[in-house]
Amino acid sequence: GQQVMQIPQYQHVQEGEDFTTYCNSSTTLSNIQWYKQRPGGHPVFLIQLVKSGEVKKQKRLTFQFGEAKKNSSLHITATQTTDVGTYFCLSGNTGKLIFGQGTTLQVKP
Amino acid sequence: EAQVTQNPRYLITVTGKKLTVTCSQNMNHEYMSWYRQDPGLGLRQIYYSMNVEVTDKGDVPEGYKVSRKEKRNFPLILESPSPNQTSLYFCASSLRSGGVDTQYFGPGTRLTVL
Repeated sequence: GQQVMQIPQYQHVQEGEDFTTYCNSSTTLSNIQWYKQRPGGHPVFLIQLVKSGEVKKQKRLTFQFGEAKKNSSLHITATQTTDVGTYFCLSGNTGKLIFGQGTTLQVKP
Repeated sequence: EAQVTQNPRYLITVTGKKLTVTCSQNMNHEYMSWYRQDPGLGLRQIYYSMNVEVTDKGDVPEGYKVSRKEKRNFPLILESPSPNQTSLYFCASSLRSGGVDTQYFGPGTRLTVL
């Protein structure tokens, strides 16, 4: 079945450093979504990418969808302590949804 | 306020004692699903429902049951809980079929099975 591998599992950065998490699939994805889960909280939607090669930005966050629609990345420029949490990618089609394993970001002030 | 609610938020139980975790949404969403979250494994889908009376298995359905008799409710049933079902459970809903629309998550239910 479809699998989505997400790396790295953990990342510790100094405040102000950049951060990137990657999701890779063995099959072509129809779309990919990104979610953030704060410590003790629930996942919250960030963005959805649909088109091949698509790039979207939200302030310091940049999301990319690969040309072959098999991979995606989330890049945070100049991390802040408010960026702490776990970032998940999500893909699926009509019903069955697959989450990446998540990347937990720790930011040292 | 548009939201997904889950009850209870915390539950400690013993092996074999049947339990139900309720999930309700007030957004008239067609799609609902259940996940368990375990360290290092991320979120894994247990069951999903495309609409009333339509349910299907996710990746880890063993030991769980669901029902969708009404659009707003999607309870998760553990007929005979075992310690390996100790986990953090999330319910989620979306307007239409899951792969397209934003997923709205409930606050989570932390279950411990002794």
